[in-house]
Amino acid sequence: SQQGEEDPQALSIQEGENATMNCSYKTSINNLQWYRQNSGRGLVHLILIRSNEREKHSGRLRVTLDTSKKSSSLLITASRAADTASYFCATDVIYNQGGKLIFGQGTELSVKP
Amino acid sequence: DAGVTQSPTHLIKTRGQQVTLRCSPKSGHDTVSWYQQALGQGPQFIFQYYEEEERQRGNFPDRFSGHQFPNYSSELNVNALLLGDSALYLCASSLGRGQETQYFGPGTRLLVL
Repeated sequence: SQQGEEDPQALSIQEGENATMNCSYKTSINNLQWYRQNSGRGLVHLILIRSNEREKHSGRLRVTLDTSKKSSSLLITASRAADTASYFCATDVIYNQGGKLIFGQGTELSVKP
Repeated sequence: DAGVTQSPTHLIKTRGQQVTLRCSPKSGHDTVSWYQQALGQGPQFIFQYYEEEERQRGNFPDRFSGHQFPNYSSELNVNALLLGDSALYLCASSLGRGQETQYFGPGTRLLVL
């Protein structure tokens, strides 16, 4: 069964707006990572947040983690057309040896100029 | 600093054939993981190699096998190809087997006819 589920499945916004994507998971984790994928190409790593962290920032990205609710969110501020991509959350679950990422099905973000 | 590289970029095979995909990890990384991504889905973990041994495995049949070489590069072999094996195959590298960031290559797109 799928560990992570992203919500919404698709999101369409105008340039300059903020985009928020959510990820829920079922099993306790070591860390949660967010990735971006353009047009079926390789995944680009965005942020890793560990289970003892609550919030991390990287440029226009802000990630939060709520382990009590088993959920995470990715906020992209002041979006640009170049942010158009699929975004995936991936969990490194606590009962694994580490490094076995379990991905959700992704959120497809479209940013219109 | 070279990132993760994969070859070939595209491949077309027929049912029943065998295929070998190759991956070179990011400089300084010693762990390689392989993922399969079907169209419209998130990547699924196949297996992880560290110190030339398979350390973790996902829910994939024995038709999927791999190898890691002393220089940390890796191969993914798939025997007796099925139509359902058509997918993007992604290689990721990391430092150590632990809970660290995984860096992905551009992938090999395999089409089985």
